[in-house]
Amino acid sequence: KAGVTQTPRYLIKTRGQQVTLSCSPISGHRSVSWYQQTPGQGLQFLFEYFSETQRNKGNFPGRFSGRQFSNSRSEMNVSTLELGDSALYLCASNYEQYFGPGTRLTVT
Amino acid sequence: DQQVKQNSPSLSVQEGRISILNCDYTNSMFDYFLWYKKYPAEGPTFLISISSIKDKNEDGRFTVFLNKSAKHLSLHIVPSQPGDSAVYFCAASEDDKIIFGKGTRLHILP
Repeated sequence: KAGVTQTPRYLIKTRGQQVTLSCSPISGHRSVSWYQQTPGQGLQFLFEYFSETQRNKGNFPGRFSGRQFSNSRSEMNVSTLELGDSALYLCASNYEQYFGPGTRLTVT
Repeated sequence: DQQVKQNSPSLSVQEGRISILNCDYTNSMFDYFLWYKKYPAEGPTFLISISSIKDKNEDGRFTVFLNKSAKHLSLHIVPSQPGDSAVYFCAASEDDKIIFGKGTRLHILP
């Protein structure tokens, strides 16, 4: 079984730009959660989707949004990027049982 | 306010000895606890979990202990091996919401 895949793996953006990250869960898994990992804050929950519906949302500003498609693939969007958005963005499928390798976002 | 705390940012243990990673929590409504291991450039890997109705769960070299009265859990790794060098995250769950600690970096010394 293929694992959780995330694309792209690395991304460099400029302040003010917007970015879209993609996550494909393990086949058959309908739950996808997104986390932001930074050295100072550890893993912080962004949002969770199940069958195209957002079920939980963390304490992040509205610039962070997401969606899930009918095939369970999920996208996360960050608009008006700030330097502090530089982080590793991780997605997990099946209620945090399996994590993807992450997307390393650097904002300059 | 941090609900899940890993107060040791790093820990060094001799190969072959026991590694003990600690985690404290503040929310008594947490009903499930998990430990993850993370290598650089990889996502966290689920290691072991424990329900709040138990006080111990063992899986091979890994044992998790839960002390509900102290709101404390620990992960024991015996014996420690070089491949155990990684960052370990403690996490706690309530109503399908999981909160992670900031992690402890474990160094296994030869």
